[in-house]
Amino acid sequence: GENVEQHPSTLSVQEGDSAVIKCTYSDSASNYFPWYKQELGKGPQLIIDIRSNVGEKKDQRIAVTLNKTAKHFSLHITETQPEDSAVYFCAALRGDSSYKLIFGSGTRLLVRP
Amino acid sequence: DGGITQSPKYLFRKEGQNVTLSCEQNLNHDAMYWYRQDPGQGLRLIYYSQIVNDFQKGDIAEGYSVSREKKESFPLTVTSAQKNPTAFYLCASSIGGTHNEQYFGPGTRLTVT
Repeated sequence: GENVEQHPSTLSVQEGDSAVIKCTYSDSASNYFPWYKQELGKGPQLIIDIRSNVGEKKDQRIAVTLNKTAKHFSLHITETQPEDSAVYFCAALRGDSSYKLIFGSGTRLLVRP
Repeated sequence: DGGITQSPKYLFRKEGQNVTLSCEQNLNHDAMYWYRQDPGQGLRLIYYSQIVNDFQKGDIAEGYSVSREKKESFPLTVTSAQKNPTAFYLCASSIGGTHNEQYFGPGTRLTVT
């Protein structure tokens, strides 16, 4: 079945450095790719998303890139801050549905002050 | 104050008992979802509803039931048939149709002993 692989599972960076999280997906018909940030004990928060008709999208310090040919997409966080520490999830919308997201297994990001 | 509310935040039950988790949204969204999250894993779709009085099974529907009698409400019942019910349960909603962005509630942590 369809799946999304996410790497790395943990990432530790120094405050001010950049962080990159990568995901690959298997459903070539997927056309929507959101990223979520989840703080401990809370629900995931949608932070950025991208559709298959664009290759890159930016929102202040975060950006997402998409390579449809290779079926992978990445989250880039620049100038990291301690409050960026959280678990980040990527997801891909199944190509046969407008409703079914397939989630990666998550990346725990730690930003060291 | 618009959003998704889930209650209670923590829920404890004895094995063999059914339990119902509440999810309410005042975003006027047509679609609602239930996910399950286990430690160190991504989110898995239990059930979703595109519109009132309609719902479909997700990837792990066995042992769960839902209803969608009102647009604002999508309660989830964890039945005694669910073999491993202890988990963090997340409710989400989206506008529906081609608007794929899903927004999550704060979650309910269910512990069954």
